[in-house]
Amino acid sequence: DAGVIQSPRHEVTEMGQEVTLRCKPISGHDYLFWYRQTMMRGLELLIYFNNNVPIDDSGMPEDRFSAKMPNASFSTLKIQPSEPRDSAVYFCASSLWDGETQYFGPGTRLLVL
Amino acid sequence: AQSVAQPEDQVNVAEGNPLTVKCTYSVSGNPYLFWYVQYPNRGLQFLLKYITGDNLVKGSYGFEAEFNKSQTSFHLKKPSALVSDSALYFCAVSRSGGNLIFGKGTKLSVKP
Repeated sequence: DAGVIQSPRHEVTEMGQEVTLRCKPISGHDYLFWYRQTMMRGLELLIYFNNNVPIDDSGMPEDRFSAKMPNASFSTLKIQPSEPRDSAVYFCASSLWDGETQYFGPGTRLLVL
Repeated sequence: AQSVAQPEDQVNVAEGNPLTVKCTYSVSGNPYLFWYVQYPNRGLQFLLKYITGDNLVKGSYGFEAEFNKSQTSFHLKKPSALVSDSALYFCAVSRSGGNLIFGKGTKLSVKP
């Protein structure tokens, strides 16, 4: 398996623009997680899905953030409108079941100007 | 509630010396414990885990960790550090039916 795939790897955008991050989990993994990593706040869990259903989105910072998982092999994290404080590295991870090993993608480095 | 603590922001070690990166945890029930490593501009990579069984767990790249239930610790160790081990290390804890809770990370710096 190719592992967790994320795109784009880098994104530079201007404040107010819509940003869409994409993730393909490892085949057969039922859980998908979105994290954000910054120097100030470390690694934060934003939202996670089980069998394509959002289970806990309490980490999503505000309504500008939304996430979907239309099928078992694809998820998106959308920021609309984007703000400079959203600049961070966003990771997607997947696991077979909750509490088990999570496998991380390479991340998307987002810079909002 | 689950929590994990990595008391050291940074650990400095000379190449060839043993290294220890500390982790303590709090969780109700039996813990699942993990170590991850993050190299610059990369995602987190799984190193090793403890779920049950032998308290000494061996993982990738010569790393090992010891589960100590009485001290609620899961310290990461390596007998002889390499410069290439320099990275950010994360401890994480979970339990069956729960998500991984990550520590804030410890930066390991190995000098030649």
